[in-house]
Amino acid sequence: DAKTTQPPSMDCAEGRAANLPCNHSTISGNEYVYWYRQIHSQGPQYIIHGLKNNETNEMASLIITEDRKSSTLILPHATLRDTAVYYCIVRVGENAGNMLTFGGGTRLMVKP
Amino acid sequence: KAGVTQTPRYLIKTRGQQVTLSCSPISGHRSVSWYQQTPGQGLQFLFEYFSETQRNKGNFPGRFSGRQFSNSRSEMNVSTLELGDSALYLCASSSGTSGQETQYFGPGTRLLVL
Repeated sequence: DAKTTQPPSMDCAEGRAANLPCNHSTISGNEYVYWYRQIHSQGPQYIIHGLKNNETNEMASLIITEDRKSSTLILPHATLRDTAVYYCIVRVGENAGNMLTFGGGTRLMVKP
Repeated sequence: KAGVTQTPRYLIKTRGQQVTLSCSPISGHRSVSWYQQTPGQGLQFLFEYFSETQRNKGNFPGRFSGRQFSNSRSEMNVSTLELGDSALYLCASSSGTSGQETQYFGPGTRLLVL
């Protein structure tokens, strides 16, 4: 699986949009971009994933650049409960088995 | 649907002992993966089971083993515990059918080895 690079930490004001970047310059054509977050000492929580197109769900939006070498997770209106470590993961598609390779992630601090 | 459950939630053992952790996947999910999380190494993949067979394995010594039952519940065992095995052990389940479906994590079992 391709390696990802994320900033180690970011701050965001409560109520504002949080934009979390991820670089995956060696991503292959069949690799998906996944985002998980982990609130202190809990199990990682799935947020969103995508292959080429931008994706949106009730939690967040995922913007993937046209060359697929980077992506941005957007939390439109961050709350204090969004304070967590956010992991960007790329993984191979079908029949690859379920092995997620976690990097260091971005520690997002949402401040009042 | 109930989420992934793990038991026990907390465990204290001493060096040299062995430990068994249990994971019940989301109903209908056939794949169960195990991960170890430590402050120094982060989240690392241990192994994955699908239909009672180990499908993937991470880079861990043979002291770490697992199995899956016909009802998809899984156990992992660590023998001859070392201090460095103190960690949060996480289990994740997915449908397992295509290999790229979303994994859902349980709350974890926190193991302390003294």
